[in-house]
Amino acid sequence: KAGVTQTPRYLIKTRGQQVTLSCSPISGHRSVSWYQQTPGQGLQFLFEYFSETQRNKGNFPGRFSGRQFSNSRSEMNVSTLELGDSALYLCASSLDLRNTGELFFGEGSRLTVL
Amino acid sequence: LAKTTQPISMDSYEGQEVNITCSHNNIATNDYITWYQQFPSQGPRFIIQGYKTKVTNEVASLFIPADRKSSTLSLPRVSLSDTAVYYCLVVGEAAGNKLTFGGGTRVLVKP
Repeated sequence: KAGVTQTPRYLIKTRGQQVTLSCSPISGHRSVSWYQQTPGQGLQFLFEYFSETQRNKGNFPGRFSGRQFSNSRSEMNVSTLELGDSALYLCASSLDLRNTGELFFGEGSRLTVL
Repeated sequence: LAKTTQPISMDSYEGQEVNITCSHNNIATNDYITWYQQFPSQGPRFIIQGYKTKVTNEVASLFIPADRKSSTLSLPRVSLSDTAVYYCLVVGEAAGNKLTFGGGTRVLVKP
């Protein structure tokens, strides 16, 4: 069974640009959640989608957005990039997050903002 | 929101048992506790989950006292490959279902 796939794995952008990251969950998983990981702030929750609806959102500015498609694949977008957005962005899938705490993480997309 | 607190780091030696305690004082009745392991440049990996008392699987044990305000992950007979960051996560209503990870505990296993 294929795991969670994130693309791209690495990318470099400049300040002011925008970026879109993609996440393909494990087949059958309907919940996808996103996290930002930085050395200083640790793992921070961005948002969670379930059946194409955003169910929960962390404390990030509106520049961070996401969506989920009917096949459960998800994308997150960051607009007007800032240097502080440099981080490892992780997505995780689960059957239904509210019924199980078991998250399956992808390898992450490492974003560098110059 | 449920806030979790863990030690920042701990050292151990091969073959020893490692116990990591996480405090989650405002855990709600229906919340459960999950632990993850993360190696550098990889996503976290699920280790174990529990609600109360003790849970054991092939890699770890999780001890949760009656008041559930803390939990202890126990790694028996660690090896060098257990060097990683371990995260405690409370999932449920107290966390607003926001999946708030603690700061993680960096475990270094020495030969």
